[in-house]
Amino acid sequence: DVKVTQSSRYLVKRTGEKVFLECVQDMDHENMFWYRQDPGLGLRLIYFSYDVKMKEKGDIPEGYSVSREKKERFSLILESASTNQTSMYLCASHTGAREQYFGPGTRLTVT
Amino acid sequence: GENVEQHPSTLSVQEGDSAVIKCTYSDSASNYFPWYKQELGKGPQLIIDIRSNVGEKKDQRIAVTLNKTAKHFSLHITETQPEDSAVYFCAASIGNYGQNFVFGPGTRLSVLP
Repeated sequence: DVKVTQSSRYLVKRTGEKVFLECVQDMDHENMFWYRQDPGLGLRLIYFSYDVKMKEKGDIPEGYSVSREKKERFSLILESASTNQTSMYLCASHTGAREQYFGPGTRLTVT
Repeated sequence: GENVEQHPSTLSVQEGDSAVIKCTYSDSASNYFPWYKQELGKGPQLIIDIRSNVGEKKDQRIAVTLNKTAKHFSLHITETQPEDSAVYFCAASIGNYGQNFVFGPGTRLSVLP
């Protein structure tokens, strides 16, 4: 089975802190994604990557950056956390066939 | 930009009844339409998908229909069970190669015993 893991299920950070969210997939997928999920808004794309060292902005990239140094790992970085970044963060991956697999999510609270 | 609308936002049905969730999309180039189920505390899980070259797909109690002309697609769950209670999301592929997705806002389904 495809497995997408995220480094933390719950995180509490202070305003201004630099935050790293890690995602690892074990099925050699080329495409990886970071979404945030907020009530009533569904899933919104932050960044995505089609290959190692490649990244593209999604719909809401402001305040975020990403890193993909290895094919299986895609990291989301909050350069200076703010309270409006309190959310559920979901990582996903898929091959060209596009069946997308999600991790369990990281619930981030910024105080 | 591209948009997916989803209705209803909440749905309550009696166990054994059917549930229908409807989505509309705006990008005529969309050609792949997945449905996800998200249980409490978990990430979304793909439950069924349909590609633009077919009008209907069925997997046991779950079916999806697609009307490309009207840009509508729907999820049908028959003989609902309490374990079907969850949030369901529809999505449509977008982008130059259809590798990205735009999601609907979700439907919270409650199956009452």
